[in-house]
Amino acid sequence: NAGVTQTPKFQVLKTGQSMTLQCAQDMNHEYMSWYRQDPGMGLRLIHYSVGAGITDQGEVPNGYNVSRSTTEDFPLRLLSAAPSQTSVYFCASSYRGGRGTQYFGPGTRLTVL
Amino acid sequence: DQQVKQNSPSLSVQEGRISILNCDYTNSMFDYFLWYKKYPAEGPTFLISISSIKDKNEDGRFTVFLNKSAKHLSLHIVPSQPGDSAVYFCAAQRAGTASKLTFGTGTRLQVTL
Repeated sequence: NAGVTQTPKFQVLKTGQSMTLQCAQDMNHEYMSWYRQDPGMGLRLIHYSVGAGITDQGEVPNGYNVSRSTTEDFPLRLLSAAPSQTSVYFCASSYRGGRGTQYFGPGTRLTVL
Repeated sequence: DQQVKQNSPSLSVQEGRISILNCDYTNSMFDYFLWYKKYPAEGPTFLISISSIKDKNEDGRFTVFLNKSAKHLSLHIVPSQPGDSAVYFCAAQRAGTASKLTFGTGTRLQVTL
């Protein structure tokens, strides 16, 4: 099992550009989530999904879109990148009954100039 | 509004000694708590968890203590090893929200020789 994979590892954008961060898992997990990690802020939940076709907002959803058409994939879209979105982004997945034991991908480091 | 707090940004401990990492929370609806360990350039990995119906959970060198009345938990690592040097995140979850974790800001542990 590859677990949770994320691409790209690094990305530099200019303000106003759009892009999609990819996330895939091969563990057949129902739940998937996106977090961002900023210095001194810990990890904050952006969006999450409890199954294909079902998504909901987390703590910091503004400026991001998600969709979940398959169990395996959960892409995160930045509509119009802003410097405030410079961060490290982590995707995570878990079993429906996993009581929070989420498995994280290696992260995408995004810089918005 | 930081619902999960780790007030010590860093901690240095000698190899072989005990490391104690602390975490406080404010939301009384949290009923499950987890510790994650994170190395640089990697995603967080699950370490140990505890349900609110318990006050202690042990796994090898790692023990988590929960004091519900004080809304406080701590992670004890005995004995500490150089490979334990990492950032440790405390996380909390409400019942029925397995895809949503609220993280603390992290404590960087350095284990010295």
